[in-house]
Amino acid sequence: GQNIDQPTEMTATEGAIVQINCTYQTSGFNGLFWYQQHAGEAPTFLSYNVLDGLEEKGRFSSFLSRSKGYSYLLLKELQMKDSASYLCAVIDSNYQLIWGAGTKLIIKP
Amino acid sequence: SQTIHQWPATLVQPVGSPLSLECTVEGTSNPNLYWYRQAAGRGLQLLFYSVGIGQISSEVPQNLSASRPQDRQFILSSKKLLLSDSGFYLCAWNQDRDFTGELFFGEGSRLTVL
Repeated sequence: GQNIDQPTEMTATEGAIVQINCTYQTSGFNGLFWYQQHAGEAPTFLSYNVLDGLEEKGRFSSFLSRSKGYSYLLLKELQMKDSASYLCAVIDSNYQLIWGAGTKLIIKP
Repeated sequence: SQTIHQWPATLVQPVGSPLSLECTVEGTSNPNLYWYRQAAGRGLQLLFYSVGIGQISSEVPQNLSASRPQDRQFILSSKKLLLSDSGFYLCAWNQDRDFTGELFFGEGSRLTVL
């Protein structure tokens, strides 16, 4: 079967750095997304990786290793507004989008 | 610019009652449209998608149905709700059916079936 694993919950301190990991076992790979979802709201796009390496976008960076079936989202200079769930999603060989259950990030002052 | 809206935002319905959730997209034509359900502790589950007017594909057999009467309108319905239908429903659109482009989500509809 197809599986995407993320930690259920993480806690970090305001101003710090946090890394949210995502590992996947899917039938093929055609790209990986990270979305941010605040409680009770719709997910919003953060990043898309299709090649190995690090993609940086402001305070957020996303890394992909296709050989390891692994990605992480790195959040720097954490702010209280970063408290949200972070969803990892993979496009499989049939171009279906497979979603992880999400990681709830709690930021403490 | 493109926008997507869905309503109602919240509803509480008794078991056995009907359901209608509506979603509209503005600022684009011929979008791919999707209905997802999000349950606590689980990934987004694709319920239906549509690549054009009157074209509906169902991903999960259940008592829900979807319709696309107009290019930018997508409706999720049920004739008789079950307790298990409770959840957070999200409408979404994109231009790339292979998902290589960003998905844009509506605000979500929280359904509680009692």
